Amino acid sequence: SQLAEENPWALSVHEGESVTVNCSYKTSITALQWYRQKSGEGPAQLILIRSNEREKRNGRLRATLDTSSQSSSLSITATRCEDTAVYFCATDRSSGSWQLIFGSGTQLTVMP
Amino acid sequence: ETAVFQTPNYHVTQVGNEVSFNCKQTLGHDTMYWYKQDSKKLLKIMFSYNNKQLIVNETVPRRFSPQSSDKAHLNLRIKSVEPEDSAVYLCASRSLGSYEQYFGPGTRLTVL
Repeated sequence: SQLAEENPWALSVHEGESVTVNCSYKTSITALQWYRQKSGEGPAQLILIRSNEREKRNGRLRATLDTSSQSSSLSITATRCEDTAVYFCATDRSSGSWQLIFGSGTQLTVMP
Repeated sequence: ETAVFQTPNYHVTQVGNEVSFNCKQTLGHDTMYWYKQDSKKLLKIMFSYNNKQLIVNETVPRRFSPQSSDKAHLNLRIKSVEPEDSAVYLCASRSLGSYEQYFGPGTRLTVL
């Protein structure tokens, strides 16, 4: 089974709506990252949230972290068509490791 | 321009052939990675490498090998490709002490 997993597998919203992607993980972590991968590109980091943080914001993005339930969420407000992408959460392989474990991603489609 | 560059963008080949993919980063990072991304967007790390240590994911077949001339370059060679090697291969780099990984655009390999 996956060490990190996003849900749902896919989402569709209309521009201007808000959306939330969830992540569950199974390892002890020092930090959790959210990445976005647009078609034809490599993933790019959106937010990093450390294990001692509960919430982090970056513009229209808000990430939360609950280490007791080993879960995280990424919310996007006022979505735009250009937010259409696959969203991944990524954790360390083990606490303090520099190797990342990615989930299988959530495909977000934002329609006009 | 500072980024992670990969060549070629696409490569189509036949079973049994040898292929080589190039990756160069101009970010001054210390560590580089190769990932395999399958058709379901699942990202799996294959290798991580800095100028001191190569770490190989134990699930990677021996026909895959990384080749580095300096810390800015990490190429990937596949000795005798098989159909299951069809995927997108992503190169990434990271600065020592940072969690964030920077990805190239990927090389899509199709094995006929």
